[in-house]
Amino acid sequence: DGGITQSPKYLFRKEGQNVTLSCEQNLNHDAMYWYRQDPGQGLRLIYYSQIVNDFQKGDIAEGYSVSREKKESFPLTVTSAQKNPTAFYLCASSIVGTGSNQPQHFGDGTRLSIL
Amino acid sequence: AQSVTQLDSQVPVFEEAPVELRCNYSSSVSVYLFWYVQYPNQGLQLLLKYLSGSTLVKGINGFEAEFNKSQTSFHLRKPSVHISDTAEYFCAVRQGGSEKLLFGKGTKLTVNP
Repeated sequence: DGGITQSPKYLFRKEGQNVTLSCEQNLNHDAMYWYRQDPGQGLRLIYYSQIVNDFQKGDIAEGYSVSREKKESFPLTVTSAQKNPTAFYLCASSIVGTGSNQPQHFGDGTRLSIL
Repeated sequence: AQSVTQLDSQVPVFEEAPVELRCNYSSSVSVYLFWYVQYPNQGLQLLLKYLSGSTLVKGINGFEAEFNKSQTSFHLRKPSVHISDTAEYFCAVRQGGSEKLLFGKGTKLTVNP
């Protein structure tokens, strides 16, 4: 079945440590996105990518980094510069074009906590 | 600036009662509108979308939504809810020509027996 796989489901970070969240999709979608979800805050866009080897900052990119070396993969690194990383992280993908009317498809998320 | 407002953060209802979850948006250009549902510790699942055409949109699980351009609203409705509808619901807006999706803060629907 086609879909988006996020791993791990739970992740713990020590002070000063960088951690990387994995996101893989087999939907053949061009665009991929990372969101951060905090209780009562909805989803906020961290980074997005519409094509391989290109990505753009979202609304809350500080303290995060991404890469897009392959169409199906869009890993997110939470760096030590992100002082409040505890949150639920969601990856999504979508088809690009056709007037931007395509919905985004979501993975099941990674919950990151501070040790 | 574009914004999405979900007017109720929590909505408790009894099983088999009707429910309406409200969503208002602000945008000066054409938009595409979506409702997503999120069950605990899971990702978001698309309920329905409005792209163009009929203003009444039917989705999965018996939900429907009505696009009202003059009131810039896209309220979600279900005539009779089930316990299994307990979840958080998100309204989202995308401006034409943009790949970015703007989400509301969510409404937690709790269906009580």
